[in-house]
Formats: sequence, structure tokens, C-alpha cells
Amino acid sequence: EVQLVESGGGLVQPGGSLRLSCAASGFTFSSYWMHWVRQAPGKGLVWVSRINSDGSSTSYADSVKGRFTISRDNAKNTLYLQMNSLRAEDTAVYYCARGMVLFDYWGQGTLVTVSS
Amino acid sequence: QLVLTQSPSASASLGASVKLTCTLSSGHSSYAIAWHQQQPEKGPRYLMKLNSDGSHSKGDGIPDRFSGSSSGAERYLTISSLQSEDEADYYCQTWGTGINWVFGGGTKLTVL
Repeated sequence: EVQLVESGGGLVQPGGSLRLSCAASGFTFSSYWMHWVRQAPGKGLVWVSRINSDGSSTSYADSVKGRFTISRDNAKNTLYLQMNSLRAEDTAVYYCARGMVLFDYWGQGTLVTVSS
Repeated sequence: QLVLTQSPSASASLGASVKLTCTLSSGHSSYAIAWHQQQPEKGPRYLMKLNSDGSHSKGDGIPDRFSGSSSGAERYLTISSLQSEDEADYYCQTWGTGINWVFGGGTKLTVL
């Protein structure tokens, strides 16, 4: 059974940093592109970042470019999102998702709240 | 610019059918999309990939009550024999080279 489990969310002050993790199981993690998608309270889904299967290529939404870094450890079957210079508008539930062009499995999400 | 447009809300009665629409912006009518369901307080769930010719492939365990179809720039999700657990938000999603990944605004489905 494919499982994606996010962790690392919490309350952080504006300007602070946080690292999210997504533990994958039930499939060959190293064969799949992975993504982060976020959802602000009461709002829709917004794509944040993606990484290819071996970690050699990444891309970001303009809203997070230069502040967020996506990475992965295929030996640990884990995806990461390093978030720096956090802003109030980054407050959201962050989901990891599997897939290259479409997202066929999602995690349950981890809440990030940026507030003083 | 690639934009997906969805009606904010829809409603239908228990046991009835409902058809949700996702419209691709001008110049992108050939794009395939994916449909995702998000039940309250849960993560999204992939329903299906829907091609421009109406062919579709569903995700693991998705009931036959869920089907997809296409007409021009419109992509449809039809849910038949509505059940209470179908009350959820439904998002369409697509992708493109240089465009990255895009979601529609979502449709909130109420089962009456």
C-alpha cells in the first residue's frame, strides 16, 4: 500500500525557518518525481515545488522561489522541503504528492502556521 | 496563460447524479487533466486522468460511479448514485512544459 506521511509542521515566527519531511512507503520511491502542494486555510490547492526521481532537477512556484528548497534522500525514502524566510502568507497545510505530470497519491498534510 | 475554471459550488440529491465541469483556458483545449477529491479535513485523493478525447483512467479503488468525459475545452466529472461520502471538494489539475502544475479553484459538492 502506497503511503505518504508528512511531518515537521508547526508554529513559526515570520522570518523563521522550518523543514518538512515526507516519509514514503509501499512503492519504489527512487523511481518517482515528487511534489509539495499547499492549501491555505479555506482556500484551494496550490503547487509549490517538484523534484525529479534522482534529485538532479527541481522547480518552484514563483511565490517561494529563493526561499524554499526541495530535496530528497532516496536511501531513506524521504522527501524534504526546507522553508526559509517564512511569511504569514505561507501559512497552509502542506501536502506531498507522488507523480510526474499528475498526482496519483497524496499525503494527509502537515500544518504550517507563520505568526508572531 | 493556462487557467482551469471551476464553478465554486454544486449540489445534488442523495442517489442522483451530478456533472462537474472544468474549463481549460483558450489555446489549451487539447490538454489532459486529472480530477482529485478532497473530503472534509482530509488530504486530496486522485480520482482519474481525463484526456481530451474523453478517455480516462481511474486511480486505485475508485468506484465505477465516477466517470469522466470531454467536449472541446471542457472536462467533466460525473458522479452517479450519489452517496453522503461524495460530499467533498473536487479539483481539476493539469500540467505543461514551462507552465508547471496548475489547479482549478475547486468545486464544493453538497449532497442534499
